[in-house]
Amino acid sequence: GAVVSQHPSRVICKSGTSVKIECRSLDFQATTMFWYRQFPKQSLMLMATSNEGSKATYEQGVEKDKFLINHASLTLSTLTVTSAHPEDSSFYICSASGNGYTFGSGTRLTVV
Amino acid sequence: DAKTTQPPSMDCAEGRAANLPCNHSTISGNEYVYWYRQIHSQGPQYIIHGLKNNETNEMASLIITEDRKSSTLILPHATLRDTAVYYCIVSEIKAAGNKLTFGGGTRVLVKP
Repeated sequence: GAVVSQHPSRVICKSGTSVKIECRSLDFQATTMFWYRQFPKQSLMLMATSNEGSKATYEQGVEKDKFLINHASLTLSTLTVTSAHPEDSSFYICSASGNGYTFGSGTRLTVV
Repeated sequence: DAKTTQPPSMDCAEGRAANLPCNHSTISGNEYVYWYRQIHSQGPQYIIHGLKNNETNEMASLIITEDRKSSTLILPHATLRDTAVYYCIVSEIKAAGNKLTFGGGTRVLVKP
C-alpha cells in the first residue's frame, strides 16, 4: 500500500530557531501534498496545499512567511517553521495525494 | 468548514459490532464519503470510502443511504485496538488532489 514517511517524529527546539519537517511518499508520486496542524484534543486543521513545482496555497489565517512549504519533487515536501515560538508547539501531519490520500505519522514539535 | 456531523463520542464492547453514524446532508453528486481513524499521537489511517454503493473491505463496511445524506461505518468485531477517533469526510476526487477537511470526529472507546 501507499506509504508516506514523515521525519522527524519528535523535535524540541529553542524559541526563535527554525525547524524543518520532511514528508516523503515512498512508493508513489504525490502530485499534491497537504500540511495539517493538530492541537491537543482537537481535530486536524489544514494549513496549506502544495503542488509539485508551484507555490503552496495557504488556508486563511496561516502565515506563509512563518510556515514555509517547499514541494520540489513528486516525492518530497518540506515544512519549515521559522522563528518558532511556544505557541507553535503542536502536532504537524502531512498527507500525500496520488494514490488516494495517505497520511504521515506526524511530527510533535515542542518549542521551549 | 467540515460538511459532516458526527456524535462526539461512543463506547462499544469488545467483540461486538460498532456502528458509527455520519450526517452529510449537503453532499454533492460528485463527492465521495471517506472514513479515517486516528489512534492517539499518530497520523490518520484510511479505512474505507464510497460514492453511493455500500462498500466492504478487510477493516470495515460502509453503508450509504439511498439519498446519500448519511452513512454508517461498521466495525464488525471491535477490538481494543480499534479505540481511536473516527473521522467521516466528504470530498471530490480530482486529478490534482482535493483537500480533505476534518470535522470533530467520533471518539470511540472499545471496552473489554
